[in-house]
Amino acid sequence: EVLLVESGGVVVQPGGSLRLSCAASGFTFDDYTMHWVRQAPGKGLEWVSLIGLDGTTTYYADSVKGRFTISRDNSNRLVHLQMNSLRSEDTALYYCAKDIGTAYYLFDYWGQGTLVTVSS
Amino acid sequence: EIVLTQSPGTLSLSPGERATLSCRASQSITGTFVAWYQQKPGQAPRLLTYGASSRAPGIPDRFTGSGSGTDFTLTISRLEPEDFAVYYCQQYGRSPITFGQGTRLEIK
Repeated sequence: EVLLVESGGVVVQPGGSLRLSCAASGFTFDDYTMHWVRQAPGKGLEWVSLIGLDGTTTYYADSVKGRFTISRDNSNRLVHLQMNSLRSEDTALYYCAKDIGTAYYLFDYWGQGTLVTVSS
Repeated sequence: EIVLTQSPGTLSLSPGERATLSCRASQSITGTFVAWYQQKPGQAPRLLTYGASSRAPGIPDRFTGSGSGTDFTLTISRLEPEDFAVYYCQQYGRSPITFGQGTRLEIK
């Protein structure tokens, strides 16, 4: 069974930093691109970032470029999202999502999300 | 960026009825690279359909995605009680990928 479990979401002040993690199991982790997708409270979905199979390929939404960094640890089946210079508009439920393959940008498994609240 | 506009915002139907959800793109999407997701309260989205007419594994055949160019549709042939949820379309044909704002399907 494929499982994605996110952690690290907390309340943080504007300008602060946070690191989210996603623990994956139930599939051959290094065969798949991984993503972060977020959903602001009561709002729709926004793709945030992608990381390729070996971690050398990364892409970001313009809204987070230069502030967020995605990484992966294939040995421990983890994906991380380092979030710096946080803004109130970054407040959202952050989902870790598995691609159906290599960078199709289709998400066949999702975690339950971790909530990031940026507030003073 | 391709903007996806879903309509209607809310659709009220009864179990057994047919549901037609629309997704219109601000630019033509090459290769029919549009997907549909279902999201229930407190749950993560679930991939339903993608491409011209492909269903994700385990998705019942009452769910059908169709369309091309700028106009795409998700059809649910006969609504089951568990189908009442929010539905999002997504385009993955051009970067950045984008989602529609969602259609809420509620029980009439």
